[in-house]
Amino acid sequence: AQKITQTQPGMFVQEKEAVTLDCTYDTSDPSYGLFWYKQPSSGEMIFLIYQGSYDQQNATEGRYSLNFQKARKSANLVISASQLGDSAMYFCAMRENTGRRALTFGSGTRLQVQP
Amino acid sequence: DGGITQSPKYLFRKEGQNVTLSCEQNLNHDAMYWYRQDPGQGLRLIYYSQIVNDFQKGDIAEGYSVSREKKESFPLTVTSAQKNPTAFYLCASRWKVSSYEQYFGPGTRLTVT
Repeated sequence: AQKITQTQPGMFVQEKEAVTLDCTYDTSDPSYGLFWYKQPSSGEMIFLIYQGSYDQQNATEGRYSLNFQKARKSANLVISASQLGDSAMYFCAMRENTGRRALTFGSGTRLQVQP
Repeated sequence: DGGITQSPKYLFRKEGQNVTLSCEQNLNHDAMYWYRQDPGQGLRLIYYSQIVNDFQKGDIAEGYSVSREKKESFPLTVTSAQKNPTAFYLCASRWKVSSYEQYFGPGTRLTVT
């Protein structure tokens, strides 16, 4: 069974600084995908970044990068130059590459960006 | 505008009543999913459908039912058998089973009293 662990219930960061949100995962499937989603207070889930288990390079999308360490089973999200609008819940998720291909989510990290 | 719509945004029901949450997508996606989110927690899979007229139970299907009669529609019924129905419900879809990105609707917040 898959499992995603996010050990930081809440994080604070100063505006314009970088922040790392931790995510570790567990799976026996050699092929999988890792995702990060942002959930603002309105509730919608906003896709941020994706990393495939066979991707050689770490994924980057603008100010977001995913620090993928396969041997350690970690997929940390790095947000550079934090902005006030980055304040939200952040969820790490993993997708099975067989069967239902649904997402398994962690419990989330609430990020608050301070001016 | 392509996307996923869920209505209404807020829904209130009395205990013992069944309620149906709608989910419609115009993205021509094959696969659709229903997730439940409780306060301070991540999402959990209720039901999913990879093709019209076929659907499968997820991790927490008890007390819920779905149908997939049309590609664009995947309604979720919360029955009176669901012991703790108050939650935030999110619908999602994926273009093909093999594609990786999953798109989410805006969600419906259901309160049962």
